[in-house]
Amino acid sequence: KNQVEQSPQSLIILEGKNCTLQCNYTVSPFSNLRWYKQDTGRGPVSLTIMTFSENTKSNGRYTATLDADTKQSSLHITASQLSDSASYICVVSAGGDMRFGAGTRLTVKP
Amino acid sequence: KAGVTQTPRYLIKTRGQQVTLSCSPISGHRSVSWYQQTPGQGLQFLFEYFSETQRNKGNFPGRFSGRQFSNSRSEMNVSTLELGDSALYLCASSLDPRTYEQYFGPGTRLTVT
Repeated sequence: KNQVEQSPQSLIILEGKNCTLQCNYTVSPFSNLRWYKQDTGRGPVSLTIMTFSENTKSNGRYTATLDADTKQSSLHITASQLSDSASYICVVSAGGDMRFGAGTRLTVKP
Repeated sequence: KAGVTQTPRYLIKTRGQQVTLSCSPISGHRSVSWYQQTPGQGLQFLFEYFSETQRNKGNFPGRFSGRQFSNSRSEMNVSTLELGDSALYLCASSLDPRTYEQYFGPGTRLTVT
């Protein structure tokens, strides 16, 4: 079983709508959690990196939350744009190890 | 600052051959990590080099190897290629990925026929 589970696997929304992606993890001991955006055929680009003590972090229209007690994180996208269509990957670091979620494929339609 | 560069961008090889991929990190970054990405498995960690030493290694067979040079540039080698090695190979550079941001290159798309 993957130590980082993301849901949903895929999501289709209309342009302008908001959406929330989920990431649950069992990785321990926790160092930090990152969200990446990956456009098709390109390398991932970092959106946020959160440590144990951070609950919320924003990067423009992207807001990540972290609940270290329940080991859950979410990525909220506000007022989606066509360019938000991509895969969103949750990565949890534990010491020297990095565990990757399988990603959520987001499609934003006009 | 120039970003992470990877060469070549695309590569087609046949089973049994070997291949070498190259990664040039961002200037000043001493850590280079390699990842394999396939549609079925997602991103999987291959190994990380820090100041010319392999610091972490993922769960891949010995056919996958790498090295890092004194200028932090890194190479990854895959010997005796198999069809299942077809993937996007990404490298990422960082000051130290355990605490700092990782910056990914565009990847090398390897196709094994």
